[in-house]
Amino acid sequence: GAGVSQSPSNKVTEKGKDVELRCDPISGHTALYWYRQSLGQGLEFLIYFQGNSAPDKSGLPSDRFSAERTGGSVSTLTIQRTQQEDSAVYLCASSLGTGGGETQYFGPGTRLLVL
Amino acid sequence: QQQVKQSPQSLIVQKGGISIINCAYENTAFDYFPWYQQFPGKGPALLIAIRPDVSEKKEGRFTISFNKSAKQFSLHIMDSQPGDSATYFCAASIAGTYKYIFGTGTRLKVLA
Repeated sequence: GAGVSQSPSNKVTEKGKDVELRCDPISGHTALYWYRQSLGQGLEFLIYFQGNSAPDKSGLPSDRFSAERTGGSVSTLTIQRTQQEDSAVYLCASSLGTGGGETQYFGPGTRLLVL
Repeated sequence: QQQVKQSPQSLIVQKGGISIINCAYENTAFDYFPWYQQFPGKGPALLIAIRPDVSEKKEGRFTISFNKSAKQFSLHIMDSQPGDSATYFCAASIAGTYKYIFGTGTRLKVLA
């Protein structure tokens, strides 16, 4: 079946602009995650959605970052007033959501460049 | 205490050789340790994973060795091939949670 898809694949924006990144998880997966991958760094957890529960926003680096998940499926990560340090690859992953220690399936990522 | 320390940062191995990547952690509550493989332009994909009740898990040419007392685990790639050239991430998660803590990654290059 189809994997996790993300759009756009690349985004170039000017400092101060807002951007929206989209994630379509695998059908039937109730858990959805956003990560940020900076050059030479590991994957930094941003936010986690599980079903209808309140999201775990503990990884969001500032109040310029927000995310929502509509209808338990598609998710949008919004970065307001982008800064150059926001340049990174933003990865979305989904999993079945049946318990801890389960496989997370990643999308190809959105490469964000803030000029 | 939430960190997972990964080494080396980069690794060059001859075709047919053994690639070894190491990770260490502090939090004894971690109970699931996956390894992810990432090719350029792609998202990471699960390669192999282990729980602390076993000391070794092997899948094909890939083996995880786990040392619970030392709080270390490693990935061994036997008979390394140029197609194995990728970035490898170790990770750890805590029982009952879904949050993974990732290492900083190892860029592996296997020379033909």
